[in-house]
Amino acid sequence: AQSVSQHNHHVILSEAASLELGCNYSYGGTVNLFWYVQYPGQHLQLLLKYFSGDPLVKGIKGFEAEFIKSKFSFNLRKPSVQWSDTAEYFCAVFPSSNTGKLIFGQGTTLQVKP
Amino acid sequence: EAGVVQSPRYKIIEKKQPVAFWCNPISGHNTLYWYLQNLGQGPELLIRYENEEAVDDSQLPKDRFSAERLKGVDSTLKIQPAELGDSAVYLCASSLGRTGWDEQFFGPGTRLTVL
Repeated sequence: AQSVSQHNHHVILSEAASLELGCNYSYGGTVNLFWYVQYPGQHLQLLLKYFSGDPLVKGIKGFEAEFIKSKFSFNLRKPSVQWSDTAEYFCAVFPSSNTGKLIFGQGTTLQVKP
Repeated sequence: EAGVVQSPRYKIIEKKQPVAFWCNPISGHNTLYWYLQNLGQGPELLIRYENEEAVDDSQLPKDRFSAERLKGVDSTLKIQPAELGDSAVYLCASSLGRTGWDEQFFGPGTRLTVL
């Protein structure tokens, strides 16, 4: 079965620290990849997405993610986090064969200490 | 531009009672989704509509859950009767189309507590 695994459930960082959140998926075909973010009290919103081309994609608020096909990974990074990045982050996969179905990981809660 | 609207935002009911959630998608979005999000988990698709047609309801527990999107715009998700295990957040999302290129926009969700 297709699945998405996020390695870290809860991450605590100090401001200015670097961030990397892991995401692996199980699907052998072509995929579209996404990171969504949910700030406290707000709805899920798209952070960045990968469809094709350059495997390093840049999103909003200084976030970026790298698609490594051989490792089935799509890790999220940010060089220097801010307190306002405190949120829950979800990796999601859209398998090309499964039209319309977005498969989410279980999420990673990021807490940034000021 | 208005986002996806859901109501109510919170609902507390006793088990065996019925409950309904309402969703109004972004104007012009043909595809509408209902997701279930359990605590500490990512959203899981329950049902997907393209206009008024349910095209993927394989994850919807049909013995107690039902959904409709009669005019291809807003949608209602119903649970009857509710069970303790139904306590979760029910998310609605919409997109222009059904492909991976069509960004899904999420509503704020309805948090259901079944006592």
